[in-house]
Amino acid sequence: AQTVTQSQPEMSVQEAETVTLSCTYDTSESDYYLFWYKQPPSRQMILVIRQEAYKQQNATENRFSVNFQKAAKSFSLKISDSQLGDAAMYFCAYRSARGGGTSYGKLTFGQGTILTVHP
Amino acid sequence: DTAVSQTPKYLVTQMGNDKSIKCEQNLGHDTMYWYKQDSKKFLKIMFSYNNKELIINETVPNRFSPKSPDKAHLNLHINSLELGDSAVYFCASSRERRGNEQFFGPGTRLTVL
Repeated sequence: AQTVTQSQPEMSVQEAETVTLSCTYDTSESDYYLFWYKQPPSRQMILVIRQEAYKQQNATENRFSVNFQKAAKSFSLKISDSQLGDAAMYFCAYRSARGGGTSYGKLTFGQGTILTVHP
Repeated sequence: DTAVSQTPKYLVTQMGNDKSIKCEQNLGHDTMYWYKQDSKKFLKIMFSYNNKELIINETVPNRFSPKSPDKAHLNLHINSLELGDSAVYFCASSRERRGNEQFFGPGTRLTVL
């Protein structure tokens, strides 16, 4: 079974600075997807960024980028120019790309990292 | 326009009661999910349905029964509620192609007294 580990329960950053959230995962599969979701106090789950394992290029979405190290099974999220609205809980998630089966589509989440942004 | 909606958003009930949470999506997706977020914020999948067919059924007590009357709806019925069932329950949906994003509903906070 796949597992996802976020070793930082809490992180903080000054507004306009850069912060990196860590995520490692364990899998025997070679084809999969990785996601970062954001959960603000409103508790709505919002997709931040997605990475396809077969792509070597790191995904970027505006101020959000990832450092995907497939061999090391590491998937960190970098937030540049942090804003107050970035304050939230961030979840790393894994999803197999294997079609069919009873786990198809299943997202396996890490424990989450609470990000505080200081003005 | 709400993409994935859940009702109710809050549910407070007594131990032993039976309750249902409803989920509807207007995105035309063919797969829907139920996730549970416990008091430590840990998220875990419970069920998924694809075209009204049960695909994922994690180790969940039999007291939890999902029901999908059509592709746009996935309801969760819970019998004989227990204190440990208190959590936030999220519905999600996606179009099942490789790696497609799952869109989440706003969550239902269930409190069992």
